[in-house]
Amino acid sequence: KNEVEQSPQNLTAQEGEFITINCSYSVGISALHWLQQHPGGGIVSLFMLSSGKKKHGRLIATINIQEKHSSLHITASHPRDSAVYICAVSYTNTGNQFYFGTGTSLTVIP
Amino acid sequence: DTGVSQNPRHKITKRGQNVTFRCDPISEHNRLYWYRQTLGQGPEFLTYFQNEAQLEKSRLLSDRFSAERPKGSFSTLEIQRTEQGDSAMYLCASSFTGFFQDTQYFGPGTRLTVL
Repeated sequence: KNEVEQSPQNLTAQEGEFITINCSYSVGISALHWLQQHPGGGIVSLFMLSSGKKKHGRLIATINIQEKHSSLHITASHPRDSAVYICAVSYTNTGNQFYFGTGTSLTVIP
Repeated sequence: DTGVSQNPRHKITKRGQNVTFRCDPISEHNRLYWYRQTLGQGPEFLTYFQNEAQLEKSRLLSDRFSAERPKGSFSTLEIQRTEQGDSAMYLCASSFTGFFQDTQYFGPGTRLTVL
């Protein structure tokens, strides 16, 4: 079983700050996913990574396969970024189901 | 296409009752996943279907749980003789998986409260 760990568990930032959330996993993967969950439950996929780096707007995700580590960065954070950010990994040889971390709860204060 | 939908959104039941949840995936998606999320935790995998075939079940899925996807479209998850420990958010996700891995698209979830 792959252990997926995220840090920090909780994060409070001032609007405009640069934010980093970290994710590490124990077993080689097919892909790593960053997801956003708002209060009420809805989960939205932000990134799917198997190598390198991806950028979408103010969000940047990186992965280091050798170190089994990924980071999600938010530049110029805004109160609307407040949500739970969840890291998940998947394997193509086992059905691609997600194995999730426990999430990082982010609050951005105006 | 309106995305993945789940019904009901909320269900309150008494211990010992049976409940059934429905998930309607995105129409062209061949894979459908069920996850369970308890408060403060990340979701946990329960089971998944490729078309109508149920290909894997987690050991979290006790004998009281059964899932079906009879025509390869919508899916149902039934919990028999509910227990208070079944209280959780039940999430459904779908994807199209062919040669390349695709991401999963999640529904809004069904929140179950067992009294």
